[in-house]
Amino acid sequence: AQSVTQPDIHITVSEGASLELRCNYSYGATPYLFWYVQSPGQGLQLLLKYFSGDTLVQGIKGFEAEFKRSQSSFNLRKPSVHWSDAAEYFCAVGKSGGSNYKLTFGKGTLLTVNP
Amino acid sequence: DGGITQSPKYLFRKEGQNVTLSCEQNLNHDAMYWYRQDPGQGLRLIYYSQIVNDFQKGDIAEGYSVSREKKESFPLTVTSAQKNPTAFYLCASSIGGRKQETQYFGPGTRLLVL
Repeated sequence: AQSVTQPDIHITVSEGASLELRCNYSYGATPYLFWYVQSPGQGLQLLLKYFSGDTLVQGIKGFEAEFKRSQSSFNLRKPSVHWSDAAEYFCAVGKSGGSNYKLTFGKGTLLTVNP
Repeated sequence: DGGITQSPKYLFRKEGQNVTLSCEQNLNHDAMYWYRQDPGQGLRLIYYSQIVNDFQKGDIAEGYSVSREKKESFPLTVTSAQKNPTAFYLCASSIGGRKQETQYFGPGTRLLVL
């Protein structure tokens, strides 16, 4: 079964600092990978996704993520964090074969941004 | 302005009561989903539907029921059999329910037990 691990439950960074949120997945075939962001009490918004091709993908709000098959990772990065980036971030993986219609989500990483 | 709407924003349930959460989309998507979110637990799939009049159980369907009578609507009923219903419930939709599609989420409904 597929699974997603986000090792960091909570990360605190200073505004203007760089950010990397970790995501590791467990799945035998080529995965479909997503990063979503959730503000308190709100729904999820898609930041970026990887299906195939270039392993470095660009998303909204200045975020990017790199797919590394050898490490089973899909880490999210941002060079300079803004106070408005404070939120919870979820990595998700979908199967690449067969008729499967569900995403498996990690448990999330809460980001706090200090002024 | 296309999107997914969920109502109400907050819902209170008494012991032994069934409650229904509304989810409506005007994105013309075929597939719709219900997730449950608990603090520190990520999202877990309750039910999903790829087409009208058809739906499948997700990972935690016990104590929940759904219907899909219209393409735009996918209401979720939390029955009295669900012993721990307090959670944040998120509805999502995607174009056709295939694995590579993006799922778009509504704003959520928070269910509290009185």
